[in-house]
Formats: sequence, C-alpha cells, structure tokens
Amino acid sequence: DAGVTQSPTHLIKTRGQQVTLRCSPISGHKSVSWYQQVLGQGPQFIFQYYEKEERGRGNFPDRFSARQFPNYSSELNVNALLLGDSALYLCASSGEASGGSTDTQYFGPGTRLTVL
Amino acid sequence: GESVGLHLPTLSVQEGDNSIINCAYSNSASDYFIWYKQESGKGPQFIIDIRSNMDKRQGQRVTVLLNKTVKHLSLQIAATQPGDSAVYFCAETTGFQKLVFGTGTRLLVSP
Repeated sequence: DAGVTQSPTHLIKTRGQQVTLRCSPISGHKSVSWYQQVLGQGPQFIFQYYEKEERGRGNFPDRFSARQFPNYSSELNVNALLLGDSALYLCASSGEASGGSTDTQYFGPGTRLTVL
Repeated sequence: GESVGLHLPTLSVQEGDNSIINCAYSNSASDYFIWYKQESGKGPQFIIDIRSNMDKRQGQRVTVLLNKTVKHLSLQIAATQPGDSAVYFCAETTGFQKLVFGTGTRLLVSP
C-alpha cells in the first residue's frame, strides 16, 4: 500500500513568491497535518485538517494557509516567501485505515523548500 | 508552554549494544507519546507509541518506557544495528493530532 505522498520533492523560490505544496494521505485516512522542519530541529506543527475542516493551527503567520479536498488530499500555501521559510515541509496523515489507532500520524517524505 | 526536550544530542554505540535514548517532556497533560526515526533526507518514520495509562510497551527490538512522575520517556533499542543510525525524536500530544517534537537525538552505530 502507498504511504503518504508529497509533491514536489524539491522546490526553489525567491523571496516574495508564493508556493503550493501538495499531499496525498494514506488511503482511508481522513486527517492531514502539516509540519515545518528547519534543519537541525524537530518538526513544528502548522495545521491539522480533518474531514475538510481545520482542526488546529500552530504559531505561524497568516501567510501560511491550507485546505483539504473531498478526496482528503491537501495543499499548503505560503505567500510572500521569506528566507526563513526555507525548510522541509512534512505532511502526516492519520485515520482508521486498518483498524489501528486513530492517533498515530504517518509522515510523508517531505518537500524541501529553498527560498533565495 | 509545551516543550519536549532530549538529554543527549548524540549517542554513539557499537553494533550489538543496547541503546537508550531519553526524552523529558514538560506538559503533564500530554496523553500520547510517540517515537519517530528520521534518516537523512526522509520524513519521520513511526517506531512505537505509548499512551499515558501505560508504563511500558514493547515492539520488535524496541521498548518505550514512560515515567509520568518525572515526566520522562525513553526508547530502548536492543542489539543495535548500523541501520538504526538516524535521528530519533520523541513527540507528545495533548489534543487532537498536534504533535510537539523535541530537537532530536542522533544515534551513531559503529560496526
């Protein structure tokens, strides 16, 4: 079975530009969360969506937004990019895919964003 | 505020040794804890989890211990192998799906 998939793998943007990152959850999972991981640190929570509704938001500016589609895939948008937005953006999904815990989050490989 | 920290940033062991990675958390309301393994260039990989109503949970070659009295979490890896070399994160959650991660411990396994 396919795990969480993310696209693109790598992305290079310049300051002030906008970026859209995409995530497809594990089949059957209804919850998607986004995390930002700066080099050398642990992931930081950005958003969580469940059944297309925002369930949680981390301490990130309004330049960051997200949405979830009817097929449970998700997009993360970042406007007016800053150098400090350079990071690995991780998507995680959770849900009752095989009768296991609904709390366990499984991560995708991430999108490496570089802002020049 | 919420925080999850690790005592040792780097742990070096010999192949075949047992490894212990420690983690301290500050939010006594946290009710679910997870250990993730992250290899270079990859996303975090789920290793094992434990709920706050448990003290110990075992998986294949891994054991997680939870001490709520001192708010301490540990991951034990038996017979450590070179393939176990990675950064290990503990994470906690108090609410629906928001994980709070620490900065990580790098495990280096020498053959």
